[in-house]
Formats: sequence, C-alpha cells, structure tokens
Amino acid sequence: QGQLVQSGAEVKKPGASVKVSCKASGFTFSSFGVHWVRQAPGQGLEWMGRLIPAGGGTGAGTTKYSRKFQGRVSITRDTSATTAYMELIGLTSEDTAVYYCARGRLWVRDLYYFDSWGQGTLVTVSS
Amino acid sequence: DVQMTQSPSSLSASVGDTVTITCRASEDIRNYLSWFQHKPGKVPRSLMYGASALQIGVSSRFTGAGSGTHFTLTISRLQPEDFATYYCQQFATYPLTFGPGTKVD
Repeated sequence: QGQLVQSGAEVKKPGASVKVSCKASGFTFSSFGVHWVRQAPGQGLEWMGRLIPAGGGTGAGTTKYSRKFQGRVSITRDTSATTAYMELIGLTSEDTAVYYCARGRLWVRDLYYFDSWGQGTLVTVSS
Repeated sequence: DVQMTQSPSSLSASVGDTVTITCRASEDIRNYLSWFQHKPGKVPRSLMYGASALQIGVSSRFTGAGSGTHFTLTISRLQPEDFATYYCQQFATYPLTFGPGTKVD
C-alpha cells in the first residue's frame, strides 16, 4: 500500500489559518482520492472532507466537505498530484487536534473508502 | 447525516479471548462500512471495508459481518497488539461519519 507523509506540527493563534500537507509515496493523487479526518483531544474521529482524483469518474476532480467545516476548509493538490493539502481558516481553540490525511480507493460512483493513513499532524491553537 | 453507534463503549478482555463489537447505522448503508483500529499516539489502521473485506496485511482473526443497519466486528484469539480502540465508519453518504469507538483493554 502507498505511504502518506504529512507536514510537521503547527502552533497557531486564534483567527489564523493552517495548511497541512500530505505527500504521497508510491502512487499519485491522480488515481486515488484523499480524505482529511481530525481527532481533537479525548474525542473520536471526525471526517472533514475529500478530494476525488481528476480521472476518478463520477465527480472527478471535485471536493466534498462536511457542513461543519464548509466555508473554512479547502482541500487541494499540487499539479504533479503527489501532494495534497488541507487548509483551515479562522482557527479557534476548538480546532486543536491531530489532523490525518487518508488515501481513498474508489468503491462506487463518488464514494471512496479509506485504506492507508498519514502519520498525523498536531495543530495547536493557542493565544 | 447518518448516525453511527457502537456497543459496548469499552470491554475488558484477555489474550486468547474472542470479542465482538457491534455497530449500528441510523439508516440503510448497504455494506458501505469500514472498520479502523486506533492506538494512542499511533496512526489509525484500516482493517476492513465493504463490511467484511480485509485490508491488505490484516490478520484473518478479524472478521466483519452485516449489512443494512447492523454490523459486527469479531476479533478471534485476541493478541496483545489487538488492545486498541475500534471505530466503524459509514461511507454510503456524505458526510462520512464514524462511530464513537469501542475500547478493548
């Protein structure tokens, strides 16, 4: 299975934005989707959004976001499709969490299930 | 949104035991269900997709079953490395949603 390597921990002030990267090894995001999930301290896993590959059939190249993060989150990839990004704006202390990217494999239509995960990136929001 | 529930929320077990975790969806999700294992400070691990298909490299001691709204994950002959929190997740509709987790200790 392919590997995903994420960028390092970040400390941000309230109101700032953060952009976390997720680099693919052994595959590209032109063939696989990418999901972003976060886990706040003491909490469970929370899906944030996903990006479908450009050659992914139904909904190719499109993003879908959780309503909770709509307007604040943006998932993109670079032109070489080897790195995906998740940017979250308007940070508050409630955004303190470990953020994970996960590779998505096509199941049917525009539905992608997870297989491999990045190692996680701790984002701390504190004044 | 599809609500996912799990039971029990935690269970105590010993090496060699067989344990079963139940996951329920608030509406029919066919077999569009995944299971994940997560240990503190570690990367989540994908165990299963399509309710019963093992991810590559996952032991056959893990068995998934169910469809519609009721699913189970059974771990046979529990090993020390199996003590973790297990999450189910539906990928039938957006937003994807996770269960609250079951801690096996």
